[in-house]
Amino acid sequence: QQQVKQSPQSLIVQKGGIPIINCAYENTAFDYFPWYQQFPGKGPALLIAIRPDVSEKKEGRFTISFNKSAKQFSLHIMDSQPGDSATYFCAASSSARQLTFGSGTQLTVLP
Amino acid sequence: DGGITQSPKYLFRKEGQNVTLSCEQNLNHDAMYWYRQDPGQGLRLIYYSQIVNDFQKGDIAEGYSVSREKKESFPLTVTSAQKNPTAFYLCASTIAGQGGYGYTFGSGTRLTVV
Repeated sequence: QQQVKQSPQSLIVQKGGIPIINCAYENTAFDYFPWYQQFPGKGPALLIAIRPDVSEKKEGRFTISFNKSAKQFSLHIMDSQPGDSATYFCAASSSARQLTFGSGTQLTVLP
Repeated sequence: DGGITQSPKYLFRKEGQNVTLSCEQNLNHDAMYWYRQDPGQGLRLIYYSQIVNDFQKGDIAEGYSVSREKKESFPLTVTSAQKNPTAFYLCASTIAGQGGYGYTFGSGTRLTVV
């Protein structure tokens, strides 16, 4: 019940493309869904997060879509750039509990 | 600047040795966490602490030990009982009781067995 399943494991897009990374969860008590971006040799950094009372959240070129009934959420990166090449993790938590992370997606944006 | 400092950045361990990874934060966060990262497996929780002098095992605690004698510090010892310690280790902190909100990560320590 604590798992968060993330796909795909890796993704290659051309510059300007819109990569989409998907996550699914089972625990209906989860109420906070962040996405983290990690560059090689660095710690993850919070990119964007959503709570289940909204279906979409945008911050710059990054958008989270959230489907509560399907227990799925996804990250879209508009107009992707080579500098977006990184590993992306979805995560989820319920109140007062630590984050549970997905397995990560390695994104490569080709110039 | 507030943040989390992990040291060393790279660490090499011989078979049978214990090694200790340092994690220090000046964010005044109550909760601290240790994660292990392996390729394709995401971040797996080793130990966490919500308050000084108290800590709990995570999903993969075997072969690891921690202490929390000060609010700012949460060192992780990788013991000789950990048979496959080569990995990237990440420390994180947050305000206790806020769940996953506000996690801050350090830059990690890469441990290699030689």
